[in-house]
Amino acid sequence: KAGVTQTPRYLIKTRGQQVTLSCSPISGHRSVSWYQQTPGQGLQFLFEYFSETQRNKGNFPGRFSGRQFSNSRSEMNVSTLELGDSALYLCASSSGILQLPTNEKLFFGSGTQLSVL
Amino acid sequence: GDSVTQMEGPVTLSEEAFLTINCTYTATGYPSLFWYVQYPGEGLQLLLKATKADDKGSNKGFEATYRKETTSFHLEKGSVQVSDSAVYFCALRRDRGSTLGRLYFGRGTQLTVWP
Repeated sequence: KAGVTQTPRYLIKTRGQQVTLSCSPISGHRSVSWYQQTPGQGLQFLFEYFSETQRNKGNFPGRFSGRQFSNSRSEMNVSTLELGDSALYLCASSSGILQLPTNEKLFFGSGTQLSVL
Repeated sequence: GDSVTQMEGPVTLSEEAFLTINCTYTATGYPSLFWYVQYPGEGLQLLLKATKADDKGSNKGFEATYRKETTSFHLEKGSVQVSDSAVYFCALRRDRGSTLGRLYFGRGTQLTVWP
């Protein structure tokens, strides 16, 4: 079973540009979450999508947006890039089933390393 | 709000030494707790988890016990190997509502094991 696939692996952009990152979840998973990892702030939750709807959102400015397609693949977009957006962006997939008690686990991709110059 | 505090390190040990990485949390209700490991150039891998008080998670010789009275979930291993060198993250999840896809992470602890 293929794992979570993120593309591209590396990206270099300049300030003011916009960027789109892609994430393909594990087959059968309907939830995709996005995280930003930086040395200064650590791992921070961006948002979660389930069945093409945003279900949860972290505390990031509106420049950060996402969407999910009917096949559960997800993209995140960052507009008007700033130097501080340089980070490793990780996506995680899970079944997304809201049932308690839960055995839900998140499976992470290898990430997209974004450098903003 | 919900948060995780873990020992920041770096931690440097000799092979076969005993490992402890401390993790404490703040959360309302009864969160699930996790340890993830990140090897260089890779994403996070789930190492172990515990979903209720007094549960012990274990995997690959690593163990952690969910202690509600001390709000802790310390990671331990009796004898580390060079291959355990990685960054370890403690995390919590609020198991209610629509929050199952959101984890709160600690800052990570870099572990280096020397032969």
